[in-house]
Amino acid sequence: DAGVIQSPRHEVTEMGQEVTLRCKPISGHDYLFWYRQTMMRGLELLIYFNNNVPIDDSGMPEDRFSAKMPNASFSTLKIQPSEPRDSAVYFCASSFGQGDNEQFFGPGTRLTVL
Amino acid sequence: AQSVTQLGSHVSVSEGALVLLRCNYSSSVPPYLFWYVQYPNQGLQLLLKYTSAATLVKGINGFEAEFKKSETSFHLTKPSAHMSDAAEYFCAVRHGGSNYKLTFGKGTLLTVNP
Repeated sequence: DAGVIQSPRHEVTEMGQEVTLRCKPISGHDYLFWYRQTMMRGLELLIYFNNNVPIDDSGMPEDRFSAKMPNASFSTLKIQPSEPRDSAVYFCASSFGQGDNEQFFGPGTRLTVL
Repeated sequence: AQSVTQLGSHVSVSEGALVLLRCNYSSSVPPYLFWYVQYPNQGLQLLLKYTSAATLVKGINGFEAEFKKSETSFHLTKPSAHMSDAAEYFCAVRHGGSNYKLTFGKGTLLTVNP
């Protein structure tokens, strides 16, 4: 398996622009997680899905952030409008919801908002 | 609520020396505990996990961790550090039952000196 795939790997945009981050989970996994990593706040869970349904979005910072999972093999995290404080590395992870539910992480998208 | 505290944001050891990275957890239910490693510009990779079986858990790359309920600790150790162990290490606790959220510690950056 190719593992969790994220695109783009790097994104540089200007304040006010819309940003869309993409994730393809490991085939057969039924949980998908979006995390944000910053120096100040560490690794934070933003939202997670089970069988394409959002289960917990309490970590989403504000209404500018939205996430969707239209099918089992694709998810997006959108920021509109983007702000400089959104600059961070965004990780997607997936897991199989049986047993210990180990999460497998993608390589991340480094977002810079100027 | 579950939480994780990693003591020491930066640990420096000499090559060949013992590695000890500390993690204390707080959990209202029997925890699932994890150690992840993050190499520069990469996603997180699972090192090892505790899922209520053996209290001494062996992971990849010669690392191991011991679950001590009385001390609410899950410290990570390796008898002899290698230069390739230089990375950031994260301890995480999984929320219990059907909640698959992970709460991560702030991370410990391990430096290995020649």
